[in-house]
Amino acid sequence: GENVEQHPSTLSVQEGDSAVIKCTYSDSASNYFPWYKQELGKRPQLIIDIRSNVGEKKDQRIAVTLNKTAKHFSLHITETQPEDSAVYFCAALKGPYGNNRLAFGKGNQVVVIP
Amino acid sequence: DTAVSQTPKYLVTQMGNDKSIKCEQNLGHDTMYWYKQDSKKFLKIMFSYNNKELIINETVPNRFSPKSPDKAHLNLHINSLELGDSAVYFCASSFGTPNTGELFFGEGSRLTVL
Repeated sequence: GENVEQHPSTLSVQEGDSAVIKCTYSDSASNYFPWYKQELGKRPQLIIDIRSNVGEKKDQRIAVTLNKTAKHFSLHITETQPEDSAVYFCAALKGPYGNNRLAFGKGNQVVVIP
Repeated sequence: DTAVSQTPKYLVTQMGNDKSIKCEQNLGHDTMYWYKQDSKKFLKIMFSYNNKELIINETVPNRFSPKSPDKAHLNLHINSLELGDSAVYFCASSFGTPNTGELFFGEGSRLTVL
């Protein structure tokens, strides 16, 4: 099955700086890559996703880039704010097949220092 | 107007007991899931149902039994609770497979087994 690795496991940044989290995946057939954000004590929520036919996608201060050749994708957060402090999960899926699993990485703790 | 609601939010119980967690979604989604999040924040899928039919059953002890009376509800019953079952259990729902739309998570049910 798909194996997703995230690094670094913890990232501390000064408020206003940029944060980058990288994920690698193992199955070259994977074609959908979402990012979920989980604030402390809250539920995970989708913040951005990208499909394999696109190399980059942006939504205000967040962007995701995909390198299919190297099998990695990254989350970029610019002008970080304290409310960006959270655990970020990347995931990968091949499909669409009903019994496919969305394989989550182990999460990155991002700490924005005011 | 909670989209995915789980009850109870907190559950403290003794080893060996049987407990249930209920989940309901009002989004009209046809697929529902149970995820387990351990103390290291790792999100692992346990089960997935599509239109009341089991489509994903990960390697989970058979002490865990999901039940979907209709496509808006997915309950989780756990028999003979063990210390290692302590975790946060998240219910989630989506339209079709996870890559056709966002996974909406519930707020989680924190289970503590003493």
